[in-house]
Amino acid sequence: QSALTQPPSASGSPGQSVTISCTGTSSDVGSYNYVSWYQQHPGKAPKLIIYEVIKRPSGIPDRFSGSKSGYTASLTVSGLQAEDEADYYCNSYASSNIWVFGGGTKLTVL
Amino acid sequence: QVQLVESGGGVVQPGGSLRLSCAASGFTFKNFNMHWVRQAPGKGLEWVTFISYNGNSKFYADSVKGRFTASRDNSRNTLHLQLNSLRAEDTGIYYCAKDSGKDQYCLDCWGQGALVSVSS
Repeated sequence: QSALTQPPSASGSPGQSVTISCTGTSSDVGSYNYVSWYQQHPGKAPKLIIYEVIKRPSGIPDRFSGSKSGYTASLTVSGLQAEDEADYYCNSYASSNIWVFGGGTKLTVL
Repeated sequence: QVQLVESGGGVVQPGGSLRLSCAASGFTFKNFNMHWVRQAPGKGLEWVTFISYNGNSKFYADSVKGRFTASRDNSRNTLHLQLNSLRAEDTGIYYCAKDSGKDQYCLDCWGQGALVSVSS
């Protein structure tokens, strides 16, 4: 049950785009299209922003998009805004009926 | 609207026990699978356990298997997590989260969390 691998930090200026990667294995990201992404502001509960690799829940801006290639999933935030500054976590369903999170990426809006 | 409210957190000595609860409202609780996720201070999220809508299926992270037990009372719209043989590394915020259903395998609503501190 190893955590998915995310870069610890990412940054971009307002209006720019930034992409956060999430690398797993053949037991999780590589085998299932059940990758989800969560945004967490300091002191707050996580919030679902992407599910099933590319889908957005109602109310999530289309500035947030997801993709996957092989064992690596990615979250792209376009048109960065100040309120996008937060921690982002990927998650994947994995074999043996478990869910595994990435270590998290702190996104800074410069 | 969906609401999840955790309770039961506190300070406990190593080796001790604690029971967390999560009161659900705003949706038909008995129809949805549920999860517990925890977060150590200053660290990332860690999935802890899944319990099916009827309580018949439960899955656990290796780190808590044999020590933690999930249960639910669908008549009271309440989820529970029994924490036994607690260790310092179990310290953190424990979130209950609703599974989205529809075989989407994601957690679409989260509570605000309950703080568990294991310390002598």
